[in-house]
Amino acid sequence: EVQLVESGGGLVQPGRSLRLSCRTSGFTFGDFAMSWFRQAPGKGPEWLGFIRSTPYGGTAEYAASVERRFTISRDDSKSIAYLQMNSLKSEDTAIYYCTRDHKRTVYWGQGTLVTVSS
Amino acid sequence: DIQMTQSPSSLSASVGDRVTITCRASQSISGYLNWYQQKSGQAPKFLIYGASILQSGVPSRFSGSGSGTDFTLTISSLQPEDFATYYCQQTYSTPLTFGGGTKVDFK
Repeated sequence: EVQLVESGGGLVQPGRSLRLSCRTSGFTFGDFAMSWFRQAPGKGPEWLGFIRSTPYGGTAEYAASVERRFTISRDDSKSIAYLQMNSLKSEDTAIYYCTRDHKRTVYWGQGTLVTVSS
Repeated sequence: DIQMTQSPSSLSASVGDRVTITCRASQSISGYLNWYQQKSGQAPKFLIYGASILQSGVPSRFSGSGSGTDFTLTISSLQPEDFATYYCQQTYSTPLTFGGGTKVDFK
């Protein structure tokens, strides 16, 4: 069974950093791209970016809204994807989801809530 | 960026009704369109990809159609578990973008 579990969310002050983890199981992690989305309260989902599988270069692409502040990485040996978030702003408050794959995002985690507030 | 516009933003329907939701892209996206269903407090559920291909396990009352800029999600006979918010998403080019959502609630 494919499982994705996000962790690392919480309350953080504006300007600080946070790293989210997406622990996975039930599939060969190294074969798949991984994506991150978020959903602000009362809003629709927003794509943040994705990281290609290592055989395809392991490079990442980002939404313009987060490109200079967020970094997606992966550890194939641990089957974990990461989202490093720097210089957090109040508008980054949202539930953050990781997904398997880039376009056919069938599998989602349960999400982790990030609240940016002083 | 490709803008996705859904209509209506909300609709009220009854069990057994046929429901149609429209999604329009600001430029041609060929058939690179996904549909999701989301219920309160849950992650989005992947329903359809390639504009019309039903994901495994999704009931056959759901169907998708369209190509280019205009797409449709149809629920042929609304069931109680279908009351939710539906989103379209283009996967033609990054940044991947979503429509604003259509909330389907009880009439």
